[in-house]
Amino acid sequence: DAGITQSPRYKITETGRQVTLMCHQTWSHSYMFWYRQDLGHGLRLIYYSAAADITDKGEVPDGYVVSRSKTENFPLTLESATRSQTSVYFCASSERGTSGDNEQFFGPGTRLTVL
Amino acid sequence: GESVGLHLPTLSVQEGDNSIINCAYSNSASDYFIWYKQESGKGPQFIIDIRSNMDKRQGQRVTVLLNKTVKHLSLQIAATQPGDSAVYFCAETRSGTYKYIFGTGTRLKVLA
Repeated sequence: DAGITQSPRYKITETGRQVTLMCHQTWSHSYMFWYRQDLGHGLRLIYYSAAADITDKGEVPDGYVVSRSKTENFPLTLESATRSQTSVYFCASSERGTSGDNEQFFGPGTRLTVL
Repeated sequence: GESVGLHLPTLSVQEGDNSIINCAYSNSASDYFIWYKQESGKGPQFIIDIRSNMDKRQGQRVTVLLNKTVKHLSLQIAATQPGDSAVYFCAETRSGTYKYIFGTGTRLKVLA
């Protein structure tokens, strides 16, 4: 039972390049989330998805694009990477987006470095 | 690893002692709170949660206390073990929303 996986685990890229971070969950959870984690900040929501083909912006969406063609996958794309996007990225999923009844299950993270 | 980093407040405790980690939350409308544990190289892991209609909840070796008057949460870990070494952070949210607000975390170091 893999749960929620992310790939790659580590990525180094250059400014201006396109990068896609993958997230896959095996629970058929409806909701999926992308966060970034930086020194001095708590996890910040980039985008979330309530179901296949339904996505919406979070707190820090600029410079990122998401898609959700299948329930189990939620890729995050940096269309033109910038140094400020150097971060650790976490994907999470939950059965329902509403809080109180469901925790968010997090993937192991992707450490992205933009040179 | 995929952890927050080197500049977090740190709590050092002796193995076997009790640990208390504190968190001030920001939104008085928040009614659901979670404590997460994050080990180096891993994603956050759910520890315990509490709703705003409660002021205390106990789990296995962990207790969460909620003081809504001063918007304060604490996580108590009994008989701290080396495996408890990690970064701990709280999260708050309002029921019916997708949005969690996460704290920056406290690093717990367990001394042998």
